[in-house]
Amino acid sequence: AQSVSQHNHHVILSEAASLELGCNYSYGGTVNLFWYVQYPGQHLQLLLKYFSGDPLVKGIKGFEAEFIKSKFSFNLRKPSVQWSDTAEYFCAVNALINNAGNMLTFGGGTRLMVKP
Amino acid sequence: DTGVSQDPRHKITKRGQNVTFRCDPISEHNRLYWYRQTLGQGPEFLTYFQNEAQLEKSRLLSDRFSAERPKGSFSTLEIQRTEQGDSAMYLCASSYPGGTSDVRAKNIQYFGAGTRLSVL
Repeated sequence: AQSVSQHNHHVILSEAASLELGCNYSYGGTVNLFWYVQYPGQHLQLLLKYFSGDPLVKGIKGFEAEFIKSKFSFNLRKPSVQWSDTAEYFCAVNALINNAGNMLTFGGGTRLMVKP
Repeated sequence: DTGVSQDPRHKITKRGQNVTFRCDPISEHNRLYWYRQTLGQGPEFLTYFQNEAQLEKSRLLSDRFSAERPKGSFSTLEIQRTEQGDSAMYLCASSYPGGTSDVRAKNIQYFGAGTRLSVL
């Protein structure tokens, strides 16, 4: 069974600081990887995704993530955060095998607070 | 708004009562998913439909939970004899516009705002 770990449960940063949120997954086969964001009072929104190809993927709002297969990692980065990035961030995986490919497995989330 | 719609947004019920939630997916999405999210946790997969067929239901939490999608459009999730431990946010997602040639589209799930259930 696949699992996802997000190491940081809470992160507090000042505006303009750089951000890196860790995500590790456990599954030895082919995976699709996602980062979702949930702004206060809003629904989950897709931030970026990795299917194949270039392991460095760029998403909306200046976010990017790097897939490192050897480390089973898909860390999220942003060079300079803004107050509006305050939200909860979820890493998710789906394993491309049978019906599991239709099931997203989420990490526990990282709550980011950006101080103005 | 053409996103995933869920109703109601909030439901308060007494222990032992039955509750039913509705999800309307993005138009023409033929895949529909239900997840549960408890406080401080990420969403947890429950079940999934392709059109009207329920293709994965082994992850439903108990036999008190059931889901339907009778006409391949909206779906309902029912919890019978609710317990306090059922209190959570229930999320619906949809994916895969029928007719697209991009098979990767099936793996991009779009979420609704959820139904928050409180069992007293």
